[in-house]
Order: sequence, then structure tokens, then C-alpha cells
Amino acid sequence: SAVISQKPSRDICQRGTSLTIQCQVDSQVTMMFWYRQQPGQSLTLIATANQGSEATYESGFVIDKFPISRPNLTFSTLTVSNMSPEDSSIYLCSVDVSSPWGLDTDTQYFGPGTRLTVL
Amino acid sequence: GENVEQHPSTLSVQEGDSAVIKCTYSDSASNYFPWYKQELGKRPQLIIDIRSNVGEKKDQRIAVTLNKTAKHFSLHITETQPEDSAVYFCAASWGGGSNYKLTFGKGTLLTVNP
Repeated sequence: SAVISQKPSRDICQRGTSLTIQCQVDSQVTMMFWYRQQPGQSLTLIATANQGSEATYESGFVIDKFPISRPNLTFSTLTVSNMSPEDSSIYLCSVDVSSPWGLDTDTQYFGPGTRLTVL
Repeated sequence: GENVEQHPSTLSVQEGDSAVIKCTYSDSASNYFPWYKQELGKRPQLIIDIRSNVGEKKDQRIAVTLNKTAKHFSLHITETQPEDSAVYFCAASWGGGSNYKLTFGKGTLLTVNP
């Protein structure tokens, strides 16, 4: 497994503002993912962030609203832009424990999440 | 894309009884099926997984079975304990290599009554 941290753990924001969430891993990983989990709901994939390439977004999520950075093999950020109350949710990053040398296990481990409330 | 159905949405059992959660998937190309446990306010934790070349896998009180022909897989928890109470999510891995992704079921709230 891997030790994954997220910052901030929670935040309350005003509508129209933006929040950047950070995800840090204690080892190098090829694939990182960002999910949204609305209260009492399942996990919905926002995008896949691989180092060295543009993030791949799922249907219903766009780069202008959720820009993602992946500057190296241990770090990623997700920005929630121009927020509205509908963006209130838990945002989770996850990592695939595959090594940079291509040992792909398809096994994902999750960060602790960021609880976002938009007023 | 993949679609994962999970049943039941809620399950209540007495301590010591067994619990079974079932999932079906739509894409026959899916080849990896993890189960996650999420306690209230916590992150999802991987508890067991199975790959398409295996029919059954067991880890102490937890087991997972896979029927590729019927495209369904199940989580079995024996001798349930109050600390097993949580939301359980099944998932199916769709795609391969750098294109793979997990699709999650809607979750099962398991309550184990002492």
C-alpha cells in the first residue's frame, strides 16, 4: 500500500471562489485518480491524472471546472473552480500502487478525502 | 462503459450471522473486482479483491466469489461483528494499462446488531 495525504481535510468556501486540493503520496506512483463522493452516495471518477500527460476527464467533468496538475510521481492537485453549492462534496484522490517500471496492479488506495462545503 | 449494480442497498444482521452482498457488471472485458469498506467519515479501505482468472478468494472471515459467465461477484462475511458495520462498495475494473478505471456500485450499508 501507500501513505496518502490530502490538504485541506475540510473547507467552507463562498460561491464563485476556487479551491485547490493537494494529494501527496509517500512513494512514486504512475496513476492517480480524483473522485467525488456526494453525501450518502458512491464514488464517481472525475479524472485520471498520469504524470507527464494531460488528465483524462470522465463524462460530465471538464477541465475548465476541475483543472488538475500532476507535476511529479508523488503529487497532484485538483482545483474546483467557480464553486456553487452543488459542488459541496467529499473529494478523494487515489493511487494505483503500480510502480513506474510498469508493474501495474490495478489496485487503488484512497486518500483521507477533502470535505468541501460551498455556501 | 461499465455498469455495476449492487444489492442490497441496506443489510441488517445479528452478530455472528453471515452477510452476503452481490454485484453484477456489464462489461465482459472487466478483469479486476475489488471490495472497499467505508466507515462513517473515513476513506474507503480495500478489504479484498479478485481477478478474473480466479473463482474464489478468502481472507479470514471475508471471501469473494466470481462467476464470469453470469458476470456477477459476491462478498461473503462470516461470523459478523459490530465492527463490520460500514458501507461496502464493490467495483469493476474496465480497460487496461494506463486506460483502466474503476466503476463502483452504489454501496451497501451493513449493520451488525450486537
